[in-house]
This record gives sequence, C-alpha cells and structure tokens, in this order.
Amino acid sequence: EVQLQQSGPEVGRPGSSVKISCKASGYTFTDYVMNWVKQSPGQGLEWIGWIDPEYGSTDYAEKFKKKATLTADTSSNTAYIQLSSLTSEDTATYFCALGVMDAWGQGASVTVSS
Amino acid sequence: DVVLTQTPSTLSATIGQSVSISCRSSQSLLDSAGNTYLYWYLQRPGQSPQLLIYLVSNLGSGVPNRFSGSGSGTDFTLKISGVEAEDLGVYYCMQATHAPRTFGGGTKLELK
Repeated sequence: EVQLQQSGPEVGRPGSSVKISCKASGYTFTDYVMNWVKQSPGQGLEWIGWIDPEYGSTDYAEKFKKKATLTADTSSNTAYIQLSSLTSEDTATYFCALGVMDAWGQGASVTVSS
Repeated sequence: DVVLTQTPSTLSATIGQSVSISCRSSQSLLDSAGNTYLYWYLQRPGQSPQLLIYLVSNLGSGVPNRFSGSGSGTDFTLKISGVEAEDLGVYYCMQATHAPRTFGGGTKLELK
C-alpha cells in the first residue's frame, strides 16, 4: 500500500524558512514524480511544483519559483519542500501527492506568526 | 497558464439525486499525442484530496461506479449518479496537459 507520511505542523516567524518532509513507502520512490500542493485556509488547491526523485529534476509554477525549493533523498525515500522568506501568505496546509496525484499525504500545516 | 473554470461553485443535492459538475478549460487539453490529461478529485471535510477520475473518464482505484467523467477538448463533466452521504465535499478538476498543472476553483457538494 502506498503511503505518504508528512511531518508535523510548523510555526515560522516572518522572514524565516521552514522545511516539510514527505516520507514515501509502498512503491519504488524513484519511479514517480512527487508533487507539492498548497491549500490556504478555506481556499482551493494550488500546484507548487514537482520533483523527479530519480534525476533530481524539478518544475515549479512561476508563482513559487522564488518561494519553494523541492528536494528528494533517495536513501530515505523522503521528499522535502523548503519555504523561504515566510510571510502571512504562506500560512497554509501543504500536501505532497504522488505522480498523477493518486496518493496524497495527510498535509502539513505551516503558520507564519511573530 | 491554463484556467479551469468549474460550475457551479456550490451544488445542493438530496441523497439519491444525480448531479453534474462542469470544468471548462481556457485551452484545449488534447496534446499532440492524442492524450487528454484531465483529472477529478474529491476533498472531504478535514481530509486530503483523493483521485476519482483520471484521463477524463477512467475511474480511480476503489472509486464507486456511480462516478463518471466525460468530455473532450475544453469541456469536461463529472457526473454522480445517485449521490450518497459520503460524496459530500469539494470537487476539483486538474489539468496536466500544459505546464504548469492547474486546478479548477472547486465545487462544493452539500446536502439540500
């Protein structure tokens, strides 16, 4: 069974960075891209980007190119998203989602607060 | 970027009623190889989204057959033939034909 286990809630100060993890199991980690999706409170879904764990190649939505950095560690089957220069607009739940998004993590909340 | 417009934004239904959700794209989602990368997801309250339909009309794993998808080009429809209580939540379409991937704004299905 495919499982994506995300790290716990994060609180970050304005201007700081946070890093969220997504540990994958139940499939070969390098076989599928990992997507990241943002959901602001009470809002819809926004695609941030994906990473191909086999090659480390990435693709980002233009809006997130300076905000998010996607990485993957094939030794631990874990994907990461780092969010930098945090502002209140980054307060949201962030999901990892596999391939065509047929499996999702449980979401990780990020709260930006001073 | 491709804009996906979902209508209606809110849908009220009774149990057993059949309903449809429209997803209209600002560009054709048919690629040069003849594939159409249009997907439907359901997000139940407090849960992560789940895949319902892939490639326009294919049921995701474990998805009941009361769900069906259709359409082509720029116009797509998700139909639920006989709403059940567990179907309540927000439905999203998503396209992956054109970079970047984009989602529709969502359709909230609620009980009448």
